Amino acid sequence: SAVISQKPSRDICQRGTSLTIQCQVDSQVTMMFWYRQQPGQSLTLIATANQGSEATYESGFVIDKFPISRPNLTFSTLTVSNMSPEDSSIYLCSVEGLGKETQYFGPGTRLLVL
Amino acid sequence: QKEVEQDPGPLSVPEGAIVSLNCTYSNSAFQYFMWYRQYSRKGPELLMYTYSSGNKEDGRFTAQVDKSSKYISLFIRDSQPSDSATYLCAMSEVGRDDKIIFGKGTRLHILP
Repeated sequence: SAVISQKPSRDICQRGTSLTIQCQVDSQVTMMFWYRQQPGQSLTLIATANQGSEATYESGFVIDKFPISRPNLTFSTLTVSNMSPEDSSIYLCSVEGLGKETQYFGPGTRLLVL
Repeated sequence: QKEVEQDPGPLSVPEGAIVSLNCTYSNSAFQYFMWYRQYSRKGPELLMYTYSSGNKEDGRFTAQVDKSSKYISLFIRDSQPSDSATYLCAMSEVGRDDKIIFGKGTRLHILP
């Protein structure tokens, strides 16, 4: 299994500002995933981050709003840009285990935008 | 129709009871079926996964997949207060690039 940490664990931000969330894994992994979990909604994949290439975004998510960095095989960041109250959510990073059916998640970053 | 449907609950049962959690889905191409448990203020953790149809047992937990009915279940025997959490079903097609689709989760409360 993989141990994943995220920073910050929570934050309260003002409308129009940006927040960068960090994700650190205790082992080298090829793919890292960023999810959003809004109250009462399912986990939704934002993007897949591969080391050495541009992130792949899912429908409804764009790089200008959610820029992602993947500088090495154990670390990634997700930035939530120009935030609005609708961005209030839990943001989770995850990695695959032996296969995509075994994903490990970080503890999440709880974001509240005022 | 949503790809994955899951009753959000909450579901409250007395300690020691058998718990049944269920999901239905519409995509007949799903082959991987997973159950995650998420405690409050924590990330989801994988409980069990199955490939295609059939049953899988792990301790007090049993996962069932009925592909003919597009219905999956998670049974918890001898439920404990520590089982109180949100349970997420998830499923995926077999392709390397096929993403995992999650249900909304069912909140479960085990009453001491």
